[in-house]
Amino acid sequence: EAGVTQFPSHSVIEKGQTVTLRCDPISGHDNLYWYRRVMGKEIKFLLHFVKESKQDESGMPNNRFLAERTGGTYSTLKVQPAELEDSGVYFCASSQPRGGQYFGPGTRLLVL
Amino acid sequence: LAKTTQPISMDSYEGQEVNITCSHNNIATNDYITWYQQFPSQGPRFIIQGYKTKVTNEVASLFIPADRKSSTLSLPRVSLSDTAVYYCLVGDYPSGSARQLTFGSGTQLTVLP
Repeated sequence: EAGVTQFPSHSVIEKGQTVTLRCDPISGHDNLYWYRRVMGKEIKFLLHFVKESKQDESGMPNNRFLAERTGGTYSTLKVQPAELEDSGVYFCASSQPRGGQYFGPGTRLLVL
Repeated sequence: LAKTTQPISMDSYEGQEVNITCSHNNIATNDYITWYQQFPSQGPRFIIQGYKTKVTNEVASLFIPADRKSSTLSLPRVSLSDTAVYYCLVGDYPSGSARQLTFGSGTQLTVLP
């Protein structure tokens, strides 16, 4: 069974540019989560989808971040415009309704 | 959510048993204790979860005293490949299910040859 995949693995952009991160959950997992770890800090929750609906987006830092999950399959997280403090590792995880969360390898974002 | 405290780092040698203790003094009645492992350049990986007493699986054991204010992750006979960051999480999510996970700073375990 394929695990959670994320694309790209790394992204280097300049301040003010736009970046879109993609997450493909494990097939059949209705729950999809985004987390991130910024430099020197702990892994923090961003938001949670159940199928295509946002269940909890309490961790989204501001309106420069937009997450979508059209069709309830893969999800994208867009940062527009990117700021220096957005640099970090963005993790995606997925789970079945009462199953453990399986994490992807993360996308390393560097904003210059 | 209950706050957790665990050592920042630990060193061990190959073949030894490693015990990592986590304090969670404010754990609530509905809270479970979950441990995740994270290797460099990878996402966190679920290791084990428990509510009370002792839980054992093929990877580790989890010891939880009666007051549940702490827990100890035990890794038997560690190898170099067990070098990783270990996170203790406490929350009302059986099997780490459909709720957000709250990570602390974790414990960096380094296994030496």
